[in-house]
Amino acid sequence: AQTVTQSQPEMSVQEAETVTLSCTYDTSESDYYLFWYKQPPSRQMILVIRQEAYKQQNATENRFSVNFQKAAKSFSLKISDSQLGDAAMYFCAYRSSQFSGTYKYIFGTGTRLKVLA
Amino acid sequence: KAGVTQTPRYLIKTRGQQVTLSCSPISGHRSVSWYQQTPGQGLQFLFEYFSETQRNKGNFPGRFSGRQFSNSRSEMNVSTLELGDSALYLCASSFRPTRDRGNEQFFGPGTRLTVL
Repeated sequence: AQTVTQSQPEMSVQEAETVTLSCTYDTSESDYYLFWYKQPPSRQMILVIRQEAYKQQNATENRFSVNFQKAAKSFSLKISDSQLGDAAMYFCAYRSSQFSGTYKYIFGTGTRLKVLA
Repeated sequence: KAGVTQTPRYLIKTRGQQVTLSCSPISGHRSVSWYQQTPGQGLQFLFEYFSETQRNKGNFPGRFSGRQFSNSRSEMNVSTLELGDSALYLCASSFRPTRDRGNEQFFGPGTRLTVL
């Protein structure tokens, strides 16, 4: 069975600085998707960034980028130029690429990011 | 395009009661998944429905059930509520994911269930 581990329950970063959130996963599959979701306090969860395992290039979305190490099964999120609005709970998630209808999302336990002014 | 909506947003029930939560997916989305979110366990997958059929199920007792209607709206039911069922219940919808289309889930705001 697949698992997703976020070993940092809480992180802090100074405004305008860079922070990296860690995520490791375990799977026997070769093709899958990885995601980072952001859940601001009392607000809806939204997708931050997505990585397809067959793509070697690391995904980037504006100030958010990932470091995808497939062999090490590591998928970290880097937030550059941190802003107060980045404060949230961040979840790493895994999804199989199987199309048989038996896929499901597996989430880590989350990392709470605090941004200090 | 309207987002995923969930009703009610807040519920307070007592042990032994049952509860029904509702989720309306984004228009055109046919897949609806349900998750239970608690501070200690994070997000745990409950089940997924596609075209009115349950396609996948997590490791929850039979007290947790769901269904999907022909308009893709979904309901989740929890019977014989226990204190441990207190959680935020999230619903997420997606178009039938494929590699080309991507497979992004869009989450609703959740229903906060408190069991006393």
